[in-house]
Amino acid sequence: EVQLVESGGGLVQPGGSQRLSCAASGFTFSSYAMSWVRQAPGKGLEWVSAISGGGGSTYFADSVKGRFTMSRDTSKNTLFLQMNSLRAEDTAVYYCAKVGAGWVHDYWGQGTLVTVSS
Amino acid sequence: EIVMTQSPATLSMSPGDRATLSCRASQSVSSNLAWYQQKPGQAPRLLIYGASTRATGIPARFSGSVSGTEFTLAISSLQSEDFAVYYCQQYNNWPLTFGGGTKVEIK
Repeated sequence: EVQLVESGGGLVQPGGSQRLSCAASGFTFSSYAMSWVRQAPGKGLEWVSAISGGGGSTYFADSVKGRFTMSRDTSKNTLFLQMNSLRAEDTAVYYCAKVGAGWVHDYWGQGTLVTVSS
Repeated sequence: EIVMTQSPATLSMSPGDRATLSCRASQSVSSNLAWYQQKPGQAPRLLIYGASTRATGIPARFSGSVSGTEFTLAISSLQSEDFAVYYCQQYNNWPLTFGGGTKVEIK
């Protein structure tokens, strides 16, 4: 059974940093691309970033480019999102998602809430 | 960036009704379109990919179709568990983009 468990959310001040983690199990982690998708309170889904199976390629939404980095540790089956220079508009539930065929998100974690506020 | 526009924003339906949700792409995305369902307090769930292929375990009452840049998700007979928000997502071009969602609510 595929399981994705996010952690690392919390309250952070504007301009601060936060590192999210996503522990994956139930599939061959290194064989699949992964994504982060966020959802601001009461709003829709926004794709944030993605990484190839081998970790050699990363992709970012313009809204986070230059501030967020994404990485993966295949030895620990864990995905990371390093978020720097955080802004109030980054407040959201952050979901990690496994990528299936194409860049379709076939499995999702339950999300972790990041609140950027002073 | 490809803009995905979903309509209507809200659909008020009764159990047993047929629901039709629309998603329009601002430019061609071929058939690289997925649909997701999200219930309150839950993560999204993949329903359809490739515009018309049901994901594993998705009931046959859910179907997807495409005509040019207009995509449709149909639910043939609404069950109580189908009242939720539905999102489309294109994966033909970077950045990946989602539509704003359609809420299917009980009339």
